Amino acid sequence: NAGVTQTPKFRVLKTGQSMTLLCAQDMNHEYMYWYRQDPGMGLRLIHYSVGEGTTAKGEVPDGYNVSRLKKQNFLLGLESAAPSQTSVYFCASIAEKYGTSGFYEQYFGPGTRLTVT
Amino acid sequence: RKEVEQDPGPFNVPEGATVAFNCTYSNSASQSFFWYRQDCRKEPKLLMSVYSSGNEDGRFTAQLNRASQYISLLIRDSKLSDSATYLCVVILSLFSGGYNKLIFGAGTRLAVHP
Repeated sequence: NAGVTQTPKFRVLKTGQSMTLLCAQDMNHEYMYWYRQDPGMGLRLIHYSVGEGTTAKGEVPDGYNVSRLKKQNFLLGLESAAPSQTSVYFCASIAEKYGTSGFYEQYFGPGTRLTVT
Repeated sequence: RKEVEQDPGPFNVPEGATVAFNCTYSNSASQSFFWYRQDCRKEPKLLMSVYSSGNEDGRFTAQLNRASQYISLLIRDSKLSDSATYLCVVILSLFSGGYNKLIFGAGTRLAVHP
């Protein structure tokens, strides 16, 4: 059981380049999330997914796209990277642990540090 | 207004001190509440859930006041290893406009010194 993994761990992009960040979980969790964290801003939700084949916009979705073709994977794409997208990206997955609200199993991936020059 | 707001901090306290973190949330239909801890350059980790009746885990006590939409975390007998950023987290249910949407506060930094 590896929990939540993210690839890559680090990446440097030039403005205008594209890339995809992969988040994978092996816990059969329904809900997955992509956040970005910037100094002084906390974690801001980019996009999230409530199950295979479904995605929804979070607080800061512009410039990003996502896909959840398989339950265990949640991909975050940057079509044309901008310096404003320099950040640390975290993926999370959660599941209702006992089938009732209030009990959630929650895990984060180790993060991807992205620099756009 | 942000959905989840926390004390800005940082809090600098000596070892052994008691420190309290406060958090308010704006959506009255918020479903579940948590405190996370994040160490520098690491991912956030779940510290504890917050239940309506209040709950305790060793030196940590969490309280929830639904009427005031307020959550707190109390750390007693602070240790050097408690130094971290503490994040308040709310889960919004489907019926309050988000599909189990996990919303974070900006975090409060704690520095415990000898």
